Amino acid sequence: AQSVTQLGSHVSVSEGALVLLRCNYSSSVPPYLFWYVQYPNQGLQLLLKYTTGATLVKGINGFEAEFKKSETSFHLTKPSAHMSDAAEYFCAVSLSGNTGKLIFGQGTTLQVKP
Amino acid sequence: DAGVIQSPRHEVTEMGQEVTLRCKPISGHNSLFWYRQTMMRGLELLIYFNNNVPIDDSGMPEDRFSAKMPNASFSTLKIQPSEPRDSAVYFCASIRPGSGYYNEQFFGPGTRLTVL
Repeated sequence: AQSVTQLGSHVSVSEGALVLLRCNYSSSVPPYLFWYVQYPNQGLQLLLKYTTGATLVKGINGFEAEFKKSETSFHLTKPSAHMSDAAEYFCAVSLSGNTGKLIFGQGTTLQVKP
Repeated sequence: DAGVIQSPRHEVTEMGQEVTLRCKPISGHNSLFWYRQTMMRGLELLIYFNNNVPIDDSGMPEDRFSAKMPNASFSTLKIQPSEPRDSAVYFCASIRPGSGYYNEQFFGPGTRLTVL
């Protein structure tokens, strides 16, 4: 069965510091992986996704993630945090088959301090 | 495109009352998902439809919950009778056809339900 684990429910960084949000997955088949962001009082929106090909994926707002099969990880990074990055971030894995169904992690709340 | 539309945005009701949440997916999308988000349980998939047909309702918590999709542009999630533990934010999401399992789900803004 496929599953997603996000390490750390809350992460706090200073403005300008590196952002690292951790995600590990479990999948018996090659996974398709996603990061979504949820700003306060809004729905989720896609940051980036990995399907096939290049393992380093670039997304919106300067975020990127690297798929590491050997570590079953898909960590999200951003070199320099901005106040506007404060939000909740969800890692998700797509189930095999043609359903579009996603399994989400529990989410990580990112706090950015001035 | 207007995106996924949900109504109402906020709903406050009393225990025992019927609640109906509504969703209009993005035009042309053929799969629709209903989620519930709470602090305790995070984001849970309740049910999803493909071409208006319910595919998997294993996430529906109990018989008090029901969902319908009478046509490609409209879906409802009904709770009857409602209970305080149903208080949550309910999201609807849609996905375009032919996308396989690597395409993006587009989320609506959610309905915040409070059951007193």
